[in-house]
Amino acid sequence: DQQVKQNSPSLSVQEGRISILNCDYTNSMFDYFLWYKKYPAEGPTFLISISSIKDKNEDGRFTVFLNKSAKHLSLHIVPSQPGDSAVYFCAASENGNQFYFGTGTSLTVIP
Amino acid sequence: DGGITQSPKYLFRKEGQNVTLSCEQNLNHDAMYWYRQDPGQGLRLIYYSQIVNDFQKGDIAEGYSVSREKKESFPLTVTSAQKNPTAFYLCASFGLAGGPGAKNIQYFGAGTRLSVL
Repeated sequence: DQQVKQNSPSLSVQEGRISILNCDYTNSMFDYFLWYKKYPAEGPTFLISISSIKDKNEDGRFTVFLNKSAKHLSLHIVPSQPGDSAVYFCAASENGNQFYFGTGTSLTVIP
Repeated sequence: DGGITQSPKYLFRKEGQNVTLSCEQNLNHDAMYWYRQDPGQGLRLIYYSQIVNDFQKGDIAEGYSVSREKKESFPLTVTSAQKNPTAFYLCASFGLAGGPGAKNIQYFGAGTRLSVL
């Protein structure tokens, strides 16, 4: 049973606009969440994380929002750039033991 | 430079053969993980190890084996019992890295693509 879900397999956004990638989870014990960016045939690279004691974390153009009551997190990229085109995975963990990954959202930023 | 090294980048397996994927890290992390990625799917956990000489099965451990004799190394063997081994395999470690402002995150290697001949 998928504990972390990314229900949008793909997203297209115009350059300069906002990209919003969504992620839902089912396990209320998850306390640490991460977003990764992945290019084909490469390992994922870390983008941004958030712990359950926060509801927002910002790093440059990337902001992650966490809504614990809805078991939902989102990644906002503003402004979107063509180099942001990649597959984005969200991941969740309880106490840093196992990490559960979503199926990914493929983002295309159109110049 | 600290990081995770996976080798080889490409690997071919003949029917009935066991093959071993290498994963080495110099980040001084205790925890290491093996994931499998299939097209259109997320990362699925095969095995993980929180400390030397100890490891746990993940969601899809059947047909795989691991060892953790050294902190730096976490090799994965794909045995002949794994009937569908063709996939992209990713090794990761978890811990602090990155100097000042370091965060606790999972760091990934570049992956090994395994194909069946």
